[in-house]
Amino acid sequence: DVKVTQSSRYLVKRTGEKVFLECVQDMDHENMFWYRQDPGLGLRLIYFSYDVKMKEKGDIPEGYSVSREKKERFSLILESASTNQTSMYLCASSHIRDPAYEQYFGPGTRLTVT
Amino acid sequence: SQQGEEDPQALSIQEGENATMNCSYKTSINNLQWYRQNSGRGLVHLILIRSNEREKHSGRLRVTLDTSKKSSSLLITASRAADTASYFCATAKAAGNKLTFGGGTRVLVKP
Repeated sequence: DVKVTQSSRYLVKRTGEKVFLECVQDMDHENMFWYRQDPGLGLRLIYFSYDVKMKEKGDIPEGYSVSREKKERFSLILESASTNQTSMYLCASSHIRDPAYEQYFGPGTRLTVT
Repeated sequence: SQQGEEDPQALSIQEGENATMNCSYKTSINNLQWYRQNSGRGLVHLILIRSNEREKHSGRLRVTLDTSKKSSSLLITASRAADTASYFCATAKAAGNKLTFGGGTRVLVKP
């Protein structure tokens, strides 16, 4: 069973703080993704990574950075949190050779920036 | 802008009825996928349909794809209370490429 875990289910941070969201997958997947989910907007891709130390910008990378030092771990960093980054953050992973191209999601982190 | 747009945004049905939701997209795709999200949880993959396929079935799920209209539909037959969830379509422009999700359809199945 594929398992994608995220470090926190709920997080409350203050404006200007540096925030780290961690994601770990246990299935040796090459691809990892960070999305944010807002009501009515669906999921929007922030960053993704196809391999260790590789990253590519998604549709809304502004205000975020990522780190992938190990294959199983993909971190999302908010350098200086702002209230408009209050959202649900979802991490996902997939196998590069999976013919179904299925993405496996973590449970999400609900971040509130006050 | 959203590649996939679901319609309707919300749907309320009685247990046992069928639920149909639609997804439209703008550019050519390699495949289209449907995911389910239970309240406050991550998404779970339901089914994938490739651009050269017109219909797929998986249990009580039936997905159609019309590439000429750039649209897909998801039908859940004989719905159950446990089908209450949000359903998202997601498109990939190339095999194994990143997905672009729509805004989702919230389905409520009343017992």
